[in-house]
Amino acid sequence: QSALTQPASVSGSPGQSITISCTGTSGDIGDYNYVSWYQQHPGKAPNLLIYDVSNRPSGVSHRFSGSKSGNTASLTISGLQPEDEADYYCNSYTRSRALVFGGGTKLTVL
Amino acid sequence: EVQLVESGGGVVQPGGSLRLSCGASGFTFELYAMHWVRQAPGKGLEWLSLISGDADDIYYADSVKGRFTVSRDNIKNSLYLHMSNLRTEDTALYYCAKDGAGLGFNFEHWGQGALVTVSS
Repeated sequence: QSALTQPASVSGSPGQSITISCTGTSGDIGDYNYVSWYQQHPGKAPNLLIYDVSNRPSGVSHRFSGSKSGNTASLTISGLQPEDEADYYCNSYTRSRALVFGGGTKLTVL
Repeated sequence: EVQLVESGGGVVQPGGSLRLSCGASGFTFELYAMHWVRQAPGKGLEWLSLISGDADDIYYADSVKGRFTVSRDNIKNSLYLHMSNLRTEDTALYYCAKDGAGLGFNFEHWGQGALVTVSS
């Protein structure tokens, strides 16, 4: 159950778009559409942003979008806002009947 | 409104045991799988366990398999995590989370967490 690979940090200016990648294997992201993304602000519980690769729960801004190609999933945040500064985690179901998170990406809004 | 409230955290010595509870409200508990996820201080999220709504399917992360046991009581709308043979590296904030959006295998709602400290 190896963790999915995310960049440790990304940054962008307000109004810009950024993309966070999440790389797995054919045993997780590549084989299943059970990919989800979470936002976590300091001291708070995580919040579901994207499920099933590209679906947004009600109440989540349309600025957040998800996609997948092969063994890599991506989260794109458009029109960056200061409140988007947070940690972001991807997650996938795996062939070994487990779930696995990425290591997390710290987003800094410059 | 979905609410998840963890309890039972505390300080325990290495090799000791502890049971966490998660009280659920605001949804039909028995219809949803539930998860435990933890976060060590300053670290990322780690999935630990899933239990299906009827408790027929239970999965564990390799890191806790054989030491942690998940269970649920659908009458009491409660989820449990019994942790034994605790190690210092088990020190973390433990969250319970409700599965359910879309196809499932995600964490649609989260509690606020219960802190477990393993220290002599």
